[in-house]
Amino acid sequence: AQKVTQAQTEISVVEKEDVTLDCVYETRDTTYYLFWYKQPPSGELVFLIRRNSFDEQNEISGRYSWNFQKSTSSFNFTITASQVVDSAVYFCALSERGSGYSTLTFGKGTMLLVSP
Amino acid sequence: DAGITQSPRHKVTETGTPVTLRCHQTENHRYMYWYRQDPGHGLRLIHYSYGVKDTDKGEVSDGYSVSRSKTEDFLLTLESATSSQTSVYFCAISEGSGYNEQFFGPGTRLTVL
Repeated sequence: AQKVTQAQTEISVVEKEDVTLDCVYETRDTTYYLFWYKQPPSGELVFLIRRNSFDEQNEISGRYSWNFQKSTSSFNFTITASQVVDSAVYFCALSERGSGYSTLTFGKGTMLLVSP
Repeated sequence: DAGITQSPRHKVTETGTPVTLRCHQTENHRYMYWYRQDPGHGLRLIHYSYGVKDTDKGEVSDGYSVSRSKTEDFLLTLESATSSQTSVYFCAISEGSGYNEQFFGPGTRLTVL
């Protein structure tokens, strides 16, 4: 079973729409860390956010917000009023205590296409 | 931006030839990682290093070896390249272990004919 599941392979929206990218994770650890990364068409990977398992507060950064719910093992990412520049592949990732926190396990990514 | 460079950025080689990819960092971070990215698979860890001469295998380590003789350099070697190793390879660094955010290099596109 995948440890990090991003069920949405591809999402298409029109500019100014809100969009939510889903991330569901699986772990037996009580202490773990979750991440989101962005990969624009240029190919580089950009770190967006890190969240530890003890902090369930939602986070907002400009048009970006993250909703962490331990009860459903989800760490969803919402972009408000999407823009063309948001077009990218977005990856969710997990770091677990069971692996000594030494590595990240990535989901397969969600490609977001924002049309003008 | 984290100071991470990868060389070469693009390489085309033939099956059976050895290939070495280099990752160089200027951040003095302890941890370094090699990933490969393939369509439909996301990013998969090949090997990682937690210090000079300290390395460990990742999810897809078969056919790859690594070496780290200096803090700033992490080498990935394909002893005998195969077509299945055609991929984009990313190096990453982190200050601490996996609970720290990782910062990625620009990637190397490798094609094995």
